[in-house]
Amino acid sequence: DTGVSQNPRHKITKRGQNVTFRCDPISEHNRLYWYRQTLGQGPEFLTYFQNEAQLEKSRLLSDRFSAERPKGSFSTLEIQRTEQGDSAMYLCASSPPIRDRPKGYTFGSGTRLTVV
Amino acid sequence: AQSVTQPDIHITVSEGASLELRCNYSYGATPYLFWYVQSPGQGLQLLLKYFSGDTLVQGIKGFEAEFKRSQSSFNLRKPSVHWSDAAEYFCAVGGVSAGKSTFGDGTTLTVKP
Repeated sequence: DTGVSQNPRHKITKRGQNVTFRCDPISEHNRLYWYRQTLGQGPEFLTYFQNEAQLEKSRLLSDRFSAERPKGSFSTLEIQRTEQGDSAMYLCASSPPIRDRPKGYTFGSGTRLTVV
Repeated sequence: AQSVTQPDIHITVSEGASLELRCNYSYGATPYLFWYVQSPGQGLQLLLKYFSGDTLVQGIKGFEAEFKRSQSSFNLRKPSVHWSDAAEYFCAVGGVSAGKSTFGDGTTLTVKP
């Protein structure tokens, strides 16, 4: 169990540029979640996958945001035409199959995005 | 809609003193309840969880929490705080069938020597 891995750890980008983050979940976890966290607040739900299917998207996820999990393993989160308000920590988490769900989430260390 | 309120933004306790962090939730069905801890610049680590059964649950690092359905509360406790417990603590609620959890805004714990 190598944990949930997120890359990059930090990203600084200019407003208007596109960015992509990657998350590698724990291999036996079939559910993968993306959350966003700003200073002084708790994580806000963005979207989640069960295997390769995207089951729910938050209304926070504007058309500029897209997430994929093409083979049910790693996931990418892309933000197009970044805005300063996108600056935040983007957290990925994974959880085991339904029979083991009571274990809760395992979070990665996050990707901190700064839009200048 | 589900929601979580953590009334205390910041708590300071002396090392060795007891600790209680408050959490109130709103959820229309039987909730799953969690406490997570976050150190600066890091992701969140699960401390403990409640799903059913005994309303007093034990977690890692000597933490425990008590579920009180009548008060819609899930308060976190520790009998004796260590300096290494200084961090931010988040309460979260999720449903049996819902994939997502809803988090509170956290309580920052400072430990005085």
